[in-house]
Amino acid sequence: KQEVTQIPAALSVPEGENLVLNCSFTDSAIYNLQWFRQDPGKGLTSLLLIQSSQREQTSGRLNASLDKSSGRSTLYIAASQPGDSATYLCAAVSLNAGNNRKLIWGLGTSLAVNP
Amino acid sequence: EPEVTQTPSHQVTQMGQEVILRCVPISNHLYFYWYRQILGQKVEFLVSFYNNEISEKSEIFDDQFSVERPDGSNFTLKIRSTKLEDSAMYFCASKQNTEAFFGQGTRLTVV
Repeated sequence: KQEVTQIPAALSVPEGENLVLNCSFTDSAIYNLQWFRQDPGKGLTSLLLIQSSQREQTSGRLNASLDKSSGRSTLYIAASQPGDSATYLCAAVSLNAGNNRKLIWGLGTSLAVNP
Repeated sequence: EPEVTQTPSHQVTQMGQEVILRCVPISNHLYFYWYRQILGQKVEFLVSFYNNEISEKSEIFDDQFSVERPDGSNFTLKIRSTKLEDSAMYFCASKQNTEAFFGQGTRLTVV
């Protein structure tokens, strides 16, 4: 059964820092992994999706990597800004999840970027 | 840009009442989902829907829950007799192939 864990649970950094958020998953047979952003009390915004055959994906200041063998993904945020403050969620889809391919979620990392 | 829309954004209901949460998925998507997030907890899968039928449901999705796609555009989640523990944020998602797109959620408060 797939379990997703995110470390740290919370992170506070000064503006301009580069930072790394970590996600680990127990079942390395994943179909893909998605990173989301959630603002307080709000919805889920997809940031990056990495297919199982990919090692990384980039979008602007965000870079997500995937290492299936070690069961890890990282989200790198460059030159952080106060507007990056949010909760970042990692979710994995297992290969043996059938055609519906539901997402299994971590608890998230709550990021605060201080001006 | 196409998006998943959910209504209402917030619903307060009395325990034992029926609620219907509504979602309009992205039009050419084939797979539809409901997830929920109790405050402070992980997002949890409830149900997936494909080809006009439920393809998988979790243990949470008991007889009190049902889903429908009544008219080819809406996708609804009904809770027949709400309990206090149903209070949560409910998210609808749709996808065509790989990437899931989520709505902004409906915050359900059962009092």
